[in-house]
Amino acid sequence: KQEVTQIPAALSVPEGENLVLNCSFTDSAIYNLQWFRQDPGKGLTSLLLIQSSQREQTSGRLNASLDKSSGRSTLYIAASQPGDSATYLCAVESGNTPLVFGKGTRLSVIA
Amino acid sequence: DVKVTQSSRYLVKRTGEKVFLECVQDMDHENMFWYRQDPGLGLRLIYFSYDVKMKEKGDIPEGYSVSREKKERFSLILESASTNQTSMYLCASSLIVNTEAFFGQGTRLTVV
Repeated sequence: KQEVTQIPAALSVPEGENLVLNCSFTDSAIYNLQWFRQDPGKGLTSLLLIQSSQREQTSGRLNASLDKSSGRSTLYIAASQPGDSATYLCAVESGNTPLVFGKGTRLSVIA
Repeated sequence: DVKVTQSSRYLVKRTGEKVFLECVQDMDHENMFWYRQDPGLGLRLIYFSYDVKMKEKGDIPEGYSVSREKKERFSLILESASTNQTSMYLCASSLIVNTEAFFGQGTRLTVV
């Protein structure tokens, strides 16, 4: 059964820093990996989707990489801002199994 | 833009009540999902549907049922609400398998 782990569980950085969030998964036979953002008490907002055949995807200050063979993904946030403070979740889709989620990394960017 | 709309943001129900959580998507997506989110446990899949009239159990279906009579609407039913079903419920949809998933704003359900 697929398991997704995110490290660290929480992270606090000063504004302007570049940072990396980590995600690992146990079964490399995935269709895709998705990164989401969740603000307190709200739903999830899709950030990036990486297909299993891709190595990375970029959107603005966000860059996500995927190493399927080692079961790892990273989300790189450049020049962090207080508005980036949120919980970031990664999830993988495999076969006919819907998204399996990690427990998230809670990010605080301090002004 | 895809929009997934859940009928309520906040809901308070009594133990034993039958509870309906409604979810509607406006982009003709084939797939719809219900998750619950609890502190320390993350998001867990309750039920999903890859087609109208079709439903599949997720990881924690006990105490729940679903209905999908129309493509755009996926309802989660708590047959007899219990306090351990107090949670944040999240609905999602995707066009087909292996495409981006879109989530609703969530329903915070409290069972007293």
